[in-house]
Amino acid sequence: DVKVTQSSRYLVKRTGEKVFLECVQDMDHENMFWYRQDPGLGLRLIYFSYDVKMKEKGDIPEGYSVSREKKERFSLILESASTNQTSMYLCASSFIVQGGTEAFFGQGTRLTVV
Amino acid sequence: GQNIDQPTEMTATEGAIVQINCTYQTSGFNGLFWYQQHAGEAPTFLSYNVLDGLEEKGRFSSFLSRSKGYSYLLLKELQMKDSASYLCAVRANQAGTALIFGKGTTLSVSS
Repeated sequence: DVKVTQSSRYLVKRTGEKVFLECVQDMDHENMFWYRQDPGLGLRLIYFSYDVKMKEKGDIPEGYSVSREKKERFSLILESASTNQTSMYLCASSFIVQGGTEAFFGQGTRLTVV
Repeated sequence: GQNIDQPTEMTATEGAIVQINCTYQTSGFNGLFWYQQHAGEAPTFLSYNVLDGLEEKGRFSSFLSRSKGYSYLLLKELQMKDSASYLCAVRANQAGTALIFGKGTTLSVSS
């Protein structure tokens, strides 16, 4: 069974803290993605990676960084958490195949910054 | 820019048929995906279209017209468990590029 696992389901952090969100996939996928999902805004891409140590900015990278040291693991880092980063964070992964390979999602991390 | 539009909300009754439309304007096109997302859960893959026409999968079908930048998801014989958000997403460029999502359509099915 396909598995994308995010380290936490719920997190509460204080403003200014450095926050790490971890994502692991067991499907040997090349691509990994981080999205955030907010009511009325849908899923917005923060960063993605198509290979180890490679990363590309998405639509809203400000205030975030990422790390991909191993193929199966993709970490999202909030350098200094702020209240406007309170959101649902979704990790996804997929193969690199021309056209049709779908992305599989983790269960999400609901982050609250207080 | 990239833009994907779909209705915000729809309602339907059990046993009915509903069509959720999606229009897109993207810098390129390499496939359109539909996902289902129940409240509090992760999106799950429903269907994929890259060529024009209809793809059928049980009660769900998806249609694509690339020349019109248009797709729809058709749900037949609606059940209460179909109440969910339906997300339209486009892969705009070559494989490896992330999916761009619309804001989702929340479907409520009543008895």
